[in-house]
Amino acid sequence: GENVEQHPSTLSVQEGDSAVIKCTYSDSASNYFPWYKQELGKRPQLIIDIRSNVGEKKDQRIAVTLNKTAKHFSLHITETQPEDSAVYFCAVHSGGYQKVTFGTGTKLQVIP
Amino acid sequence: NAGVTQTPKFQVLKTGQSMTLQCAQDMNHEYMSWYRQDPGMGLRLIHYSVGAGITDQGEVPNGYNVSRSTTEDFPLRLLSAAPSQTSVYFCASSYNFDAQGRDYGYTFGSGTRLTVV
Repeated sequence: GENVEQHPSTLSVQEGDSAVIKCTYSDSASNYFPWYKQELGKRPQLIIDIRSNVGEKKDQRIAVTLNKTAKHFSLHITETQPEDSAVYFCAVHSGGYQKVTFGTGTKLQVIP
Repeated sequence: NAGVTQTPKFQVLKTGQSMTLQCAQDMNHEYMSWYRQDPGMGLRLIHYSVGAGITDQGEVPNGYNVSRSTTEDFPLRLLSAAPSQTSVYFCASSYNFDAQGRDYGYTFGSGTRLTVV
C-alpha cells in the first residue's frame, strides 16, 4: 500500500518567517495531493491541493509544490502569522478516491 | 448549506454498549467516509462509501459497521464498545474523482469525541 511520510513533526517559526512542510509518498500512480489544517479542537479543513499534472499551485500566502520524479510534495507558508499555528496534514490519493493515506501531521507554532 | 453534520459531539459509553454516530451531508457528494483520530496516529480510515448502497472497509474496520441507504446519510455503528475505541471520530465527504477537474478534497464534520469506560 501507499506509504506517506511527513516531516517535520513539529516546527516553530518567528512571525513573518516562512514555513515548509514536506511529504514523501511511494506510489508513482498517486494523482491528488491535498493539505489540511486542523486548529486545536476543530475539524481538519482543506487549505490547498494539487493534481499530478501540475507542478505548483499558489493561494495568497500558501503554495504547494509537487515533484513527481522524486515523489514528494511540500506546503509553503510565507509571512507566517499567529493564526497559522495549527496541525497540518498532507494526504495522498492513489488508485482512485478510495485509496487515501494521510501523513501523521506537523504541529506548526508561529511565535509572535 | 450546512456541509457535513455529525452528531453527537460528545459521548461516554460503557464497555459492551452499542451506539450509532450520525453523519449527514447536503452537498450531493458521492463519497463519504469515517476516520478516527488518535494522538500520534494521524487519521485512519474506518469505512467508506462511493455511493448509495456501496460500502467498503478501510484500514481499521473491526468493531464498526456502516450502511449507506441514501446519498446524504452515512451512519457508523459501534457494535460492542471497547476502551480501544476511545477516540475522536470524523466523517468526511467529497465528490468522486473526476478527471475533468472537479474538486474532490474532503469536507469534514465537526467530530465526535467518544470515551469508552
